[in-house]
Amino acid sequence: DAKTTQPPSMDCAEGRAANLPCNHSTISGNEYVYWYRQIHSQGPQYIIHGLKNNETNEMASLIITEDRKSSTLILPHATLRDTAVYYCIAGRGGGGADGLTFGKGTHLIIQP
Amino acid sequence: DAGITQSPRYKITETGRQVTLMCHQTWSHSYMFWYRQDLGHGLRLIYYSAAADITDKGEVPDGYVVSRSKTENFPLTLESATRSQTSVYFCASSEMRGIYEQYFGPGTRLTVT
Repeated sequence: DAKTTQPPSMDCAEGRAANLPCNHSTISGNEYVYWYRQIHSQGPQYIIHGLKNNETNEMASLIITEDRKSSTLILPHATLRDTAVYYCIAGRGGGGADGLTFGKGTHLIIQP
Repeated sequence: DAGITQSPRYKITETGRQVTLMCHQTWSHSYMFWYRQDLGHGLRLIYYSAAADITDKGEVPDGYVVSRSKTENFPLTLESATRSQTSVYFCASSEMRGIYEQYFGPGTRLTVT
């Protein structure tokens, strides 16, 4: 799996869009970008994933740069319940252990 | 409710005791996983299973045993608990291999005294 780099923490005001960056400059052509989050004392929660194109679901949008070396997760209208650690993972799964490799992530704090 | 559940949610045991953590999913997902989460180490894969009766080691399997006789259940057993196995344990499942869309249970907080 490609290494990812995320800022350790970010603040965002409630109701505003939260933009969480992730660098994955060594990502290979067949590796996806996945985002998970972990709210305190809960299990990680899948948010979204993408390969090349931008993706949107009911939780978030994922913007991947054309060269695929970085991406941004966007929570369009952040609420206090979005306070969590957000993990960016680049990989394709398959072969050997299929476990996720979580880095340190970004601790997003939504301010009232 | 459908989903993935773990039991017990909290467990305190003594060194040397055998402990079994249960995991149950209602989606009929083929793949199931056990992770442990410790401060400073993040999530680490203990064992995973591709289907009933098929299991394989992850990153940190020593001291743990798994079985999967039914698709929906994936118990994790600590044969002789040690203090270093004090951790939060998460079970997860996924429908397909090769993608990382995994669904996690609420976790079991295990303390070994």
